[in-house]
Amino acid sequence: GAGVSQSPSNKVTEKGKDVELRCDPISGHTALYWYRQSLGQGLEFLIYFQGNSAPDKSGLPSDRFSAERTGGSVSTLTIQRTQQEDSAVYLCASSLRGLEAGTDTQYFGPGTRLTVL
Amino acid sequence: AQKITQTQPGMFVQEKEAVTLDCTYDTSDPSYGLFWYKQPSSGEMIFLIYQGSYDQQNATEGRYSLNFQKARKSANLVISASQLGDSAMYFCAMGDSGAGSYQLTFGKGTKLSVIP
Repeated sequence: GAGVSQSPSNKVTEKGKDVELRCDPISGHTALYWYRQSLGQGLEFLIYFQGNSAPDKSGLPSDRFSAERTGGSVSTLTIQRTQQEDSAVYLCASSLRGLEAGTDTQYFGPGTRLTVL
Repeated sequence: AQKITQTQPGMFVQEKEAVTLDCTYDTSDPSYGLFWYKQPSSGEMIFLIYQGSYDQQNATEGRYSLNFQKARKSANLVISASQLGDSAMYFCAMGDSGAGSYQLTFGKGTKLSVIP
């Protein structure tokens, strides 16, 4: 079946502009995750959605970052007033149950490469 | 807190040879899972293999096997018969199995280059 899809694959924006990144998880997966991958920081967890439960936003680096998941499926990560340090690859993942990371494999999308000029 | 250490920033291997990528971890949780992912230059993170902390056997998936040594807290990835397409970044990751534990912790990665 289809894997996790993300769009756009690349996004170049100017400092101060808002951007929206989209993630479409594997059909039937109840959990969805956003991670950020940057050269200096490696892979960082950002946010987690599981079913209709309130998301865990503990990894979001600032209040300029927000995310929503509509209808338990597609998710959008929004970065307002982008800064140059936001430049990174944003990876989305989904898993079947999402209740225990130690047993529930996360499958990743191809990522969105964000460049803030 | 969990920690994953990958001590090899870069590795070279001759085509058709086997290679071992090192991963050590630290956690206080008794139940956890270990994962290896491959990230080619295209950027997608591809799941390779999984090992649960209570699994008695080492995990294998085709040419990939995981050398799990629980007492030493190591989970090395072994790739047999390397192919040119194996050239990529490889990440070791860990997740807890406790309730409410859903984020993975990743190592810094190892860049593997397969030489023809």
